[in-house]
Amino acid sequence: AQSVTQLDSHVSVSEGTPVLLRCNYSSSYSPSLFWYVQHPNKGLQLLLKYTSAATLVKGINGFEAEFKKSETSFHLTKPSAHMSDAAEYFCVVSDYGSSNTGKLIFGQGTTLQVKP
Amino acid sequence: EAQVTQNPRYLITVTGKKLTVTCSQNMNHEYMSWYRQDPGLGLRQIYYSMNVEVTDKGDVPEGYKVSRKEKRNFPLILESPSPNQTSLYFCASSPLRSSYEQYFGPGTRLTVT
Repeated sequence: AQSVTQLDSHVSVSEGTPVLLRCNYSSSYSPSLFWYVQHPNKGLQLLLKYTSAATLVKGINGFEAEFKKSETSFHLTKPSAHMSDAAEYFCVVSDYGSSNTGKLIFGQGTTLQVKP
Repeated sequence: EAQVTQNPRYLITVTGKKLTVTCSQNMNHEYMSWYRQDPGLGLRQIYYSMNVEVTDKGDVPEGYKVSRKEKRNFPLILESPSPNQTSLYFCASSPLRSSYEQYFGPGTRLTVT
């Protein structure tokens, strides 16, 4: 069965400093991995996705993530945090290639706080 | 604009009063799904549909029904809502021939008293 674990429930950074949100996954197949962001009282927006092409994936708003098979990790980074980045972030794996129900399996979420 | 819409966005109701939350997408996606989001539990799939007239249970289907009579619409029906169905609900859609990246609606916050 597939699963994701977000290693931090809450991360706090200062504006202009780097962001690192950590995610480990478990999958018996070559996984499809995503990061979604949820701003307060908003829906979920896709930040980036990994689907077995390049291991370094670039997303929107300056975010990127690196797929590391040996470490079963898919950490999300950004060189310089902006106040507008404050939100909840979800690491997600799909069952594409395994049971193929289209289900997304969500991590518990990491709340990113950005201090001025 | 490509989007998934849900209505209503907010709903307060009483136990046992049937309700329907509508979901519509304009991207011609085959796949649609409903999730509920609860604090500390993340998002969990309720039902999904691979195409018109094809639906199946997700992880938490009890107390919910769905139908898929048209490709663009995927309503969520609560026949007899109970307080444990108080939650934030999201509809999502995806093209089938993809990695199942899904596009989410804005959410419906439901409170059952």
